[in-house]
Amino acid sequence: DTEVTQTPKHLVMGMTNKKSLKCEQHMGHRAMYWYKQKAKKPPELMFVYSYEKLSINESVPSRFSPECPNSSLLNLHLHALQPEDSALYLCASSLTPVGGERVYEQYFGPGTRLTVT
Amino acid sequence: SQQGEEDPQALSIQEGENATMNCSYKTSINNLQWYRQNSGRGLVHLILIRSNEREKHSGRLRVTLDTSKKSSSLLITASRAADTASYFCATDTNNQGGKLIFGQGTELSVKP
Repeated sequence: DTEVTQTPKHLVMGMTNKKSLKCEQHMGHRAMYWYKQKAKKPPELMFVYSYEKLSINESVPSRFSPECPNSSLLNLHLHALQPEDSALYLCASSLTPVGGERVYEQYFGPGTRLTVT
Repeated sequence: SQQGEEDPQALSIQEGENATMNCSYKTSINNLQWYRQNSGRGLVHLILIRSNEREKHSGRLRVTLDTSKKSSSLLITASRAADTASYFCATDTNNQGGKLIFGQGTELSVKP
């Protein structure tokens, strides 16, 4: 199984709502990532979890709250978002975090298309 | 800040032609990867080239890396309509702890 799954595929939420994005992989990967991607732009890294611990937070606003309950699951909790947060949110995983001599490609999920109204 | 800059931003070719995309970066790297993204979907890893490699092949893909010029190119030979997608280079630098930095991407359109 070389698949990263994300739910929901689409999400529309108001600025006062609380919602969560979910990501799951069963490849035994120990690094998981959240990216945000605007139309016709490259993915922008938001968070990296390494061995279930948050290792990188790219100065993301606190209205985005990541959670890694176990090595297979990654959540992104959303609260009080702004319309400019509308984007495609991508989850990815890799065997271990990139860097150093061991190098691994990242496997991406299909994304959640988020619209904030 | 974006490490990778790609050109062209958009490329339109006929089926059967070759497509070449270029990527430049600014700092020293451990490796460089290429990804493909079909419209509105997730990214798919295509190929990885390490900093001590100069050329790599995978099927119809050929990647070169010139660390002296801090640049890489992706060549897709005998293109097909199904190759229509956005292509991104991504670099992994030392001590980044899991951070890939993506280039701006090249939007490839292959017309049947």
